[in-house]
Amino acid sequence: ILNVEQSPQSLHVQEGDSTNFTCSFPSSNFYALHWYRWETAKSPEALFVMTLNGDEKKKGRISATLNTKEGYSYLYIKGSQPEDSATYLCAFPIYNQGGKLIFGQGTELSVKP
Amino acid sequence: EAQVTQNPRYLITVTGKKLTVTCSQNMNHEYMSWYRQDPGLGLRQIYYSMNVEVTDKGDVPEGYKVSRKEKRNFPLILESPSPNQTSLYFCASSWGSMNTEAFFGQGTRLTVV
Repeated sequence: ILNVEQSPQSLHVQEGDSTNFTCSFPSSNFYALHWYRWETAKSPEALFVMTLNGDEKKKGRISATLNTKEGYSYLYIKGSQPEDSATYLCAFPIYNQGGKLIFGQGTELSVKP
Repeated sequence: EAQVTQNPRYLITVTGKKLTVTCSQNMNHEYMSWYRQDPGLGLRQIYYSMNVEVTDKGDVPEGYKVSRKEKRNFPLILESPSPNQTSLYFCASSWGSMNTEAFFGQGTRLTVV
């Protein structure tokens, strides 16, 4: 059974704090790793799709790194703002099943003003 | 605008009363999928479809049916809903390759009493 683990489950920070969380995934049969941002009452939206070991992607204050050999990815948020409050999901696509995604349970981030 | 549209957004129904949740995408994606979100369990795939008339079970298919008669539509059918199907449901579509993102609908909050 493929397992995708995220930690921590939840995080409460103050505005301006930088934060990071982890996604662990199977290191064998790796093809890609997805990060999604899910705000309450909205639909999950893609942040990054990462494919190469050592890959680093950035979108504004959010960045992600990838280590496929050891099976983990970090998501960093620099200078958190209240609008960053959301659940951050990572997902591991399964080969030859048309893009089926195995999701982690998510990290729920709350940023207090 | 590229989007995945689900209806209804909220539904309260009684045990045993058949219901359908509709899903439509306007991106010509081949791959469509249904997920349910339950606290502590993450997003789990119910059914997926890799093209018209091609559907297959995901990880939690019991109690659900789907059909894919047209490329854009992928309805989820609960023939005899039960309280354990109370959940938040998401439809998603993508090109089906592992390095392309999935697009999600707005979600359907279903309560079965």
